[in-house]
Amino acid sequence: AQTIHQWPVAEIKAVGSPLSLGCTIKGKSSPNLYWYWQATGGTLQQLFYSITVGQVESVVQLNLSASRPKDDQFILSTEKLLLSHSGFYLCAWSSQSSAETLYFGSGTRLTVL
Amino acid sequence: QQKVQQSPESLSVPEGGMASFNCTSSDRNFQYFWWYRQHSGEGPKALMSIFSDGDKKEGRFTAHLNKASLHVSLHIRDSQPSDSALYFCAASGAGGYKVVFGSGTRLLVSP
Repeated sequence: AQTIHQWPVAEIKAVGSPLSLGCTIKGKSSPNLYWYWQATGGTLQQLFYSITVGQVESVVQLNLSASRPKDDQFILSTEKLLLSHSGFYLCAWSSQSSAETLYFGSGTRLTVL
Repeated sequence: QQKVQQSPESLSVPEGGMASFNCTSSDRNFQYFWWYRQHSGEGPKALMSIFSDGDKKEGRFTAHLNKASLHVSLHIRDSQPSDSALYFCAASGAGGYKVVFGSGTRLLVSP
């Protein structure tokens, strides 16, 4: 069975500080990977997707970057946090074809002060 | 401009009742639709997908798609308190990698 693990579970960071969030998918070869951001109780905004190692597509510009250093790993980062970066970050995977169901991790709660 | 409009914003039904959710898209490129459910503090989980016109039933859940009007709905019969959650519709086009979510409907099922 496939599992998706996100880390850390929660972060409290200062404005202007750097950030790195990650997720790892086990039990699935060459998945599509996604990052989403969610304000409290709000909709999910897609940030990035990746269909192969080393290739990441940006969907919306929010002063964030993403990388896929390994087939099973997706990293979200920024060098300088803004207050507006606060929220719930969700990593997801789908099978390697289009129009597939997304399977989400349990998320990282980020608070920027 | 939100490409997937979802209604209502919130919904309260008694245990055993019917809960209904609606989504309308403004993008005719969307071909694939899903319903997801998110309990508080967790990641969303897919309930069902629907890609063809008509009804699709899975247990207590029935989805309906009308591609001509870009309208998709979800109905939950015999609602249970454990169904209380945030419900999202989602849509994608032919490429499939950009998945747009609706604004969400908060469901409360009271015992």
